[in-house]
Amino acid sequence: QKEVEQNSGPLSVPEGAIASLNCTYSDRGSQSFFWYRQYSGKSPELIMFIYSNGDKEDGRFTAQLNKASQYVSLLIRDSQPSDSATYLCAVNWGNQFYFGTGTSLTVIP
Amino acid sequence: DAGVIQSPRHEVTEMGQEVTLRCKPISGHNSLFWYRQTMMRGLELLIYFNNNVPIDDSGMPEDRFSAKMPNASFSTLKIQPSEPRDSAVYFCASSSYRGPEAFFGQGTRLTVV
Repeated sequence: QKEVEQNSGPLSVPEGAIASLNCTYSDRGSQSFFWYRQYSGKSPELIMFIYSNGDKEDGRFTAQLNKASQYVSLLIRDSQPSDSATYLCAVNWGNQFYFGTGTSLTVIP
Repeated sequence: DAGVIQSPRHEVTEMGQEVTLRCKPISGHNSLFWYRQTMMRGLELLIYFNNNVPIDDSGMPEDRFSAKMPNASFSTLKIQPSEPRDSAVYFCASSSYRGPEAFFGQGTRLTVV
């Protein structure tokens, strides 16, 4: 059974703070991990992805993988009100993308 | 590129009617996915096509649901007969062997009354 789990939140952080989002996955065989952002009423859009061989930083965003504990995290530095959205974690197994239910983030001005 | 194109954007239909959702993947992409999104269950993978061939349809909830991909640029998801519990947003996504990520269409919001 391939499962991706996220805390649904809501998570609230003040503007300028660090937002930390996490997800866990069930199958150790996965090789790639994704974070998508979804604004209300819109479609998911990719923020970043990482492979199983390392972490990645892109501007204010950092994705980290802990293979031993089977979880993936997304850190958002200097959070902005425009970062308020639902963040979806996805794991690729056999070329198929399995998503968590998402974590709702609100950045308070 | 225009991205993944879905139609219609909104569909309201009566219980028992047939509903057909359409998707045009990004040109050159060889994988296509249909997802259903609800508040309770999040994004559920319904079916996955690779090179126009259905690879995994284990997520299709019932026999009322069927999907086809007659060529590389077009796919349909059909619900017959539709029921109120089918109300959700249905997303189509595509990906390429050249890159690991999936790109989503704008979705079809289906309401069955």
